[in-house]
Amino acid sequence: EADIYQTPRYLVIGTGKKITLECSQTMGHDKMYWYQQDPGMELHLIHYSYGVNSTEKGDLSSESTVSRIRTEHFPLTLESARPSHTSQYLCASSHHSYNQPQHFGDGTRLSIL
Amino acid sequence: GQNIDQPTEMTATEGAIVQINCTYQTSGFNGLFWYQQHAGEAPTFLSYNVLDGLEEKGRFSSFLSRSKGYSYLLLKELQMKDSASYLCAVIAGNTPLVFGKGTRLSVIA
Repeated sequence: EADIYQTPRYLVIGTGKKITLECSQTMGHDKMYWYQQDPGMELHLIHYSYGVNSTEKGDLSSESTVSRIRTEHFPLTLESARPSHTSQYLCASSHHSYNQPQHFGDGTRLSIL
Repeated sequence: GQNIDQPTEMTATEGAIVQINCTYQTSGFNGLFWYQQHAGEAPTFLSYNVLDGLEEKGRFSSFLSRSKGYSYLLLKELQMKDSASYLCAVIAGNTPLVFGKGTRLSVIA
């Protein structure tokens, strides 16, 4: 069973606040990912990392930033939250081999008022 | 880039068989994944194909034809709990996995 954890599960917060969504995995996976998904809609890759000190932007432009200082930890930060950031954010990780599946966390449902 | 197409919605009857198709265009193909995602939950891995042919896992099977850029997911003996979105995803080169928009399957009694 995959061991990847996201906190918080739900967050309701006001506009302009700085937010950090946490994601940690205990599988030693090199690769980690952040996706944004609105209800009933497709997954959009917003950031990914192939290892420590390596981060890349995904296909969907995002005002968020990420860091990868430790293998197991891949936090996502919004400096100033806006209502347009309301969405579900899913973190995933995978082994470095391309034939290994991504394992997803339970997600953070974010609502900006 | 990569282009992945799958039907938006399908409906099938409990106990029946349903086939969900996926077509893709890519270069440097390294494999195709199928995921299941229940409403409000995270995707979970179902299958991976990199060679042509059929892979069977219980009630679920996945087929791949690399020359045709085509895959399908076959679900047998459908149950109500199989109502979910099914995501086709392709990996190519060293780029991240690219997901299709998903097929929403509704299983009816």
